[in-house]
Amino acid sequence: AAGVIQSPRHLIKEKRETATLKCYPIPRHDTVYWYQQGPGQDPQFLISFYEKMQSDKGSIPDRFSAQQFSDYHSELNMSSLELGDSALYFCASSSGGTSGTQYFGPGTRLLVL
Amino acid sequence: AQKVTQAQTEISVVEKEDVTLDCVYETRDTTYYLFWYKQPPSGELVFLIRRNSFDEQNEISGRYSWNFQKSTSSFNFTITASQVVDSAVYFCALSEAPNTDKLIFGTGTRLQVFP
Repeated sequence: AAGVIQSPRHLIKEKRETATLKCYPIPRHDTVYWYQQGPGQDPQFLISFYEKMQSDKGSIPDRFSAQQFSDYHSELNMSSLELGDSALYFCASSSGGTSGTQYFGPGTRLLVL
Repeated sequence: AQKVTQAQTEISVVEKEDVTLDCVYETRDTTYYLFWYKQPPSGELVFLIRRNSFDEQNEISGRYSWNFQKSTSSFNFTITASQVVDSAVYFCALSEAPNTDKLIFGTGTRLQVFP
């Protein structure tokens, strides 16, 4: 079965640079979620989109923005990167809105030097 | 406030032992969902099970079983006859859908199964 696709899988950036992470949900899933997992920590919710509209917002820094496109894929844009942004970024998708089970992608490992 | 507590930080067992991972949650909502996810060393998050607040039936799937008790706000996970491949971090999570999209994770329990 098709899973959530995330690209790139690994990314190395310098401080103050920008990064764009991409997420392709499971086909026919209408909701996309972004999470950040720091080393040794649990995943923290950043933001979500349902039918291309932002549906919920968590602890996402103002330096980050995201959107969901007409083909339901989503991008997380991160600017003015800081060392503390180094983390594993997960995208998840679900169908049926917020009550659906969230299936996670393999994650993008971001390292900021 | 919503919260998920996994008091066991790390558990080590020998293959074929049974092991139970504890999860206690807090929520004021009457409608909510509970989940377990597995995160193997490779890093991905693998969905294991979902339960809604109105379904207290226990569930068994192969060597895995789950015990949901609303009276004690617990959703415990038991692995029977553990195997080395079960070694991973296991996260319990709470969703207060439809009021919010986010999953609230516990801090995870690292399970190490030794041969």
